[in-house]
Amino acid sequence: QVHLEESGPGVVKPSEILSLSCSVSGDSVSSGSYYWSWMRQPPGKGLEWIGYVNYNGITSYNPSLKSRVTISVDTSKNQFSLRLNSVTAADTAVYFCARFYYYDSSIGSYPYYFDYWGQGTPVTVSS
Amino acid sequence: QSALTQPASISGSPGQSITISCSRASSDVGDYNQVSWFQHHPGKAPKLIIYDVTHRPSGVSDRFSGSKSGNTASLTISGLQPEDEAYYYCNSYTTTWVFGGGTKLTVL
Repeated sequence: QVHLEESGPGVVKPSEILSLSCSVSGDSVSSGSYYWSWMRQPPGKGLEWIGYVNYNGITSYNPSLKSRVTISVDTSKNQFSLRLNSVTAADTAVYFCARFYYYDSSIGSYPYYFDYWGQGTPVTVSS
Repeated sequence: QSALTQPASISGSPGQSITISCSRASSDVGDYNQVSWFQHHPGKAPKLIIYDVTHRPSGVSDRFSGSKSGNTASLTISGLQPEDEAYYYCNSYTTTWVFGGGTKLTVL
């Protein structure tokens, strides 16, 4: 069974860098079939896709956050990370990591859906 | 404001069926065939229950079904059970990956 678990500081000061990690078990981030994703949910609001990365380090980001976001993968630790620069109170949210099913090599198709998620970690931006 | 529109809340009694809608803007292009639905019990990991509009992942109850008409996708839960009480989110691709604002299902 695939399991993802987020970790990182629960409080970040305004203008500083938010850094989170997602540890993956039951699968390898080196798999060519998946992208590894981050989402967030601000208090009282809906989910927002932040971006994703594949095993080769190829990334795609939400245009609304692209200038401040870096997502990277560490195959040696079987984890991937989120870095969000210059945070403000608007970045206060529960942050989720998830696996994105990109390519089904058995039939040569592109499924394109998020199939496994972590339970999320709350991050508050506050001085 | 979410790019996909869902009702904020819905309720039903045990054994009944309910349907949650998920609408995209009429100006969005593409076939709207990559619609997923997630069930989320707060504090737990969101769970994929429908992908590609109508497909259920292995292990998901057949009480959950998906459909689509035009720019509106729908999730139907039949034979409501108390454990179905949760938040439900739709997800699709417009110019980026987007989610609905979520629907809180209350089982009375």
